[in-house]
Amino acid sequence: AQSVAQPEDQVNVAEGNPLTVKCTYSVSGNPYLFWYVQYPNRGLQFLLKYITGDNLVKGSYGFEAEFNKSQTSFHLKKPSALVSDSALYFCAVRDITGGGNKLTFGTGTQLKVEL
Amino acid sequence: KAGVTQTPRYLIKTRGQQVTLSCSPISGHRSVSWYQQTPGQGLQFLFEYFSETQRNKGNFPGRFSGRQFSNSRSEMNVSTLELGDSALYLCASSLAGTEDSPLHFGNGTRLTVT
Repeated sequence: AQSVAQPEDQVNVAEGNPLTVKCTYSVSGNPYLFWYVQYPNRGLQFLLKYITGDNLVKGSYGFEAEFNKSQTSFHLKKPSALVSDSALYFCAVRDITGGGNKLTFGTGTQLKVEL
Repeated sequence: KAGVTQTPRYLIKTRGQQVTLSCSPISGHRSVSWYQQTPGQGLQFLFEYFSETQRNKGNFPGRFSGRQFSNSRSEMNVSTLELGDSALYLCASSLAGTEDSPLHFGNGTRLTVT
């Protein structure tokens, strides 16, 4: 079965510092990986995806993610964090069992950016 | 372009009742998926519809059902509500329902069962 793991429940970072939110994956076949962000009382917003190609994927709001096949990781990064980046971040993998467009999500990482 | 619209935003129901939630996808999107989000279980897949057909189903009891209409709008129904059904129910649509189409989520319906 396809799965992703987010080892950190919470990440704290100072504004202006780089941030990393970690994600590792377990898939059979080629991975289709996604990052989403959720603000309080809102749905999930798509940030970026990795399907194939370059290992560094650029997404919305200055976020990027690094795909590492040997380490089966897909960490989310941003060079300079903003207080407004504080939110809940989810890594997800396309679940190919049963076909269709089903995503399996990680447990989420709460990012807190402080002044 | 309007986003995914879910109605209502909030619902309070009593155990044993049933509830219907509605989702209008982004115009042109034919795939609609439903997810349940709870603090304990996180995000769990309920089902996906594509061109009015259920294409995939998660591990939920038969009390949870859904359907999709010809205009791609979708509804999900939960019968005989239990306290554990209290959750944020999220609907998501995608353009073609293929493996690399990102999901676009609505803001959800917050269901509270008392």
